[in-house]
Amino acid sequence: DAKTTQPPSMDCAEGRAANLPCNHSTISGNEYVYWYRQIHSQGPQYIIHGLKNNETNEMASLIITEDRKSSTLILPHATLRDTAVYYCIVRVYNQGGKLIFGQGTELSVKP
Amino acid sequence: KAGVTQTPRYLIKTRGQQVTLSCSPISGHRSVSWYQQTPGQGLQFLFEYFSETQRNKGNFPGRFSGRQFSNSRSEMNVSTLELGDSALYLCASSLFSSGFQETQYFGPGTRLLVL
Repeated sequence: DAKTTQPPSMDCAEGRAANLPCNHSTISGNEYVYWYRQIHSQGPQYIIHGLKNNETNEMASLIITEDRKSSTLILPHATLRDTAVYYCIVRVYNQGGKLIFGQGTELSVKP
Repeated sequence: KAGVTQTPRYLIKTRGQQVTLSCSPISGHRSVSWYQQTPGQGLQFLFEYFSETQRNKGNFPGRFSGRQFSNSRSEMNVSTLELGDSALYLCASSLFSSGFQETQYFGPGTRLLVL
């Protein structure tokens, strides 16, 4: 199973872009990269996912390197409500609904 | 469209008791997965149900079981509760279980405290 590596914590100033990195050097060609976040004591919230092209939605942008060994989640204008633990997950192809969560990155957005 | 709902939201039990948690998926979703979250172990996969059949199972003892009904609602049961079962139990639903592309949406969780 492809594993992910994320920094344990990051700080970001309110209104600035938050760039959260993720390494997944053993990713297979048919595995997607998913991002979720979890605000304290709530259920994880889906943010975005991608295979090899950059993706953007109303919440964030996902930049995947050409070799797919790493990716960056970008929150363009972070707010205090974006303070949460962010999980980068490589989706295992034949594991159906099984998501393997790592420790994630605790993002603190400060005023 | 309503999100994933879980009941109850909070529960206190004593060691040796059993507990049943309920999850109602997003309308139209047929796959339900359960996860346990503890401070020490993080988020861990328990099992997944699709069309009333268990499709995947995590590495948990047999005291943890589940089922899914024909309307896709799911329940999980923990028998002979131990102190270490205190956790946030999360349910996630997805449209169908066809591999790696479907997105899972999580409910708010049930916080279980075992005394």
